[in-house]
Amino acid sequence: AQRVTQPEKLLSVFKGAPVELKCNYSYSGSPELFWYVQYSRQRLQLLLRHISRESIKGFTADLNKGETSFHLKKPFAQEEDSAMYYCALSVPNAGNMLTFGGGTRLMVKP
Amino acid sequence: DSGVTQTPKHLITATGQRVTLRCSPRSGDLSVYWYQQSLDQGLQFLIQYYNGEERAKGNILERFSAQQFPDLHSELNLSSLELGDSALYFCASSRRQGMGTNEKLFFGSGTQLSVL
Repeated sequence: AQRVTQPEKLLSVFKGAPVELKCNYSYSGSPELFWYVQYSRQRLQLLLRHISRESIKGFTADLNKGETSFHLKKPFAQEEDSAMYYCALSVPNAGNMLTFGGGTRLMVKP
Repeated sequence: DSGVTQTPKHLITATGQRVTLRCSPRSGDLSVYWYQQSLDQGLQFLIQYYNGEERAKGNILERFSAQQFPDLHSELNLSSLELGDSALYFCASSRRQGMGTNEKLFFGSGTQLSVL
């Protein structure tokens, strides 16, 4: 079965510092990877997906199939980036539901 | 606002009781997904319905059941509640059955269930 691992429960950085939120997955096929964000007291929302190769709010993520990783990066963190970040995986032939990692809370200090 | 509506926002009940959580998907969305978010388990997929039929099942307990009605709203029924069932229950919807290339999942704001 597929699995998503986010090794850090909490990541604390200062404003302006680079950020990397780690995500590793286990699946033998070709999954689709996503990053979802949950700001304080708000609902989960899609941040980006690997297939789009886009940059949202300065965040990027590259799928590394060799390392089975999909780390989320931002060169200069902002205070408004403070939120809960979830990495998720979708498997094409299993109902396509999302399997989420445990989440990483990002705190950006002033 | 994602367009996905969940009611109630908060629910406090006692062990052994039964509750029903309701979800209205975005207009035009046929798929509804239920997720449980707890401190120790993170976000766990429970079940998916598509156009009234069950499509996928995750880590859903036998004490829990769900259904999707002809108007596409969905209900999650939790019975014989235990303390460990306290969690935030999210509903999400998408246009189609699967997560195709351009498919997006829209989440509701959740129902916070507290079992005392």
